[in-house]
Amino acid sequence: EAQVTQNPRYLITVTGKKLTVTCSQNMNHEYMSWYRQDPGLGLRQIYYSMNVEVTDKGDVPEGYKVSRKEKRNFPLILESPSPNQTSLYFCASSLIGPYEQYFGPGTRLTVT
Amino acid sequence: AQKITQTQPGMFVQEKEAVTLDCTYDTSDPSYGLFWYKQPSSGEMIFLIYQGSYDQQNATEGRYSLNFQKARKSANLVISASQLGDSAMYFCAMREVTGNQFYFGTGTSLTVIP
Repeated sequence: EAQVTQNPRYLITVTGKKLTVTCSQNMNHEYMSWYRQDPGLGLRQIYYSMNVEVTDKGDVPEGYKVSRKEKRNFPLILESPSPNQTSLYFCASSLIGPYEQYFGPGTRLTVT
Repeated sequence: AQKITQTQPGMFVQEKEAVTLDCTYDTSDPSYGLFWYKQPSSGEMIFLIYQGSYDQQNATEGRYSLNFQKARKSANLVISASQLGDSAMYFCAMREVTGNQFYFGTGTSLTVIP
């Protein structure tokens, strides 16, 4: 089954404790992306990647890191999480070009 | 400036009626794609429909159609014969071919009334 998986689905952590949210897709997509969704703000792109070792900042990259060492995986790293990073996070993938993105199920992160 | 604007935070529609969700966009890129996604209360993002900037005809997918007015930079979603299962958040999105970023609007919450 074609899918994007994210882990964990739910995470409660404390300020400053490094965490990684994993994302994996099995559709051989070149393009992968991370978003955060906050009430009233819609989805905002954090980082995206056009291919292995190629990443670019989206609209809200501060406080996040990503890496793309394999085509299928695109982890999101919060080196020192803060409460303002409490949000719902989505990973997505697509082919390059005018194609829709396939979304993972989301990760609800709470930073206390 | 906002790339995608959805001015209707909430909408109500009677079951079996049609409803239009508004979306305007801002780009100077001649090549772009417009998308609509549905997010039910369970949280997943479901792709509904796509319109390319060079497409001459409005896109349709079952009960969904996209009213594309390029000169006005609008890409409204029309849902015909609304069903209770259409109650959800709806997001308009754009992808500029040159920039490769995706931009989403703030969403419209649609409630279908029996």
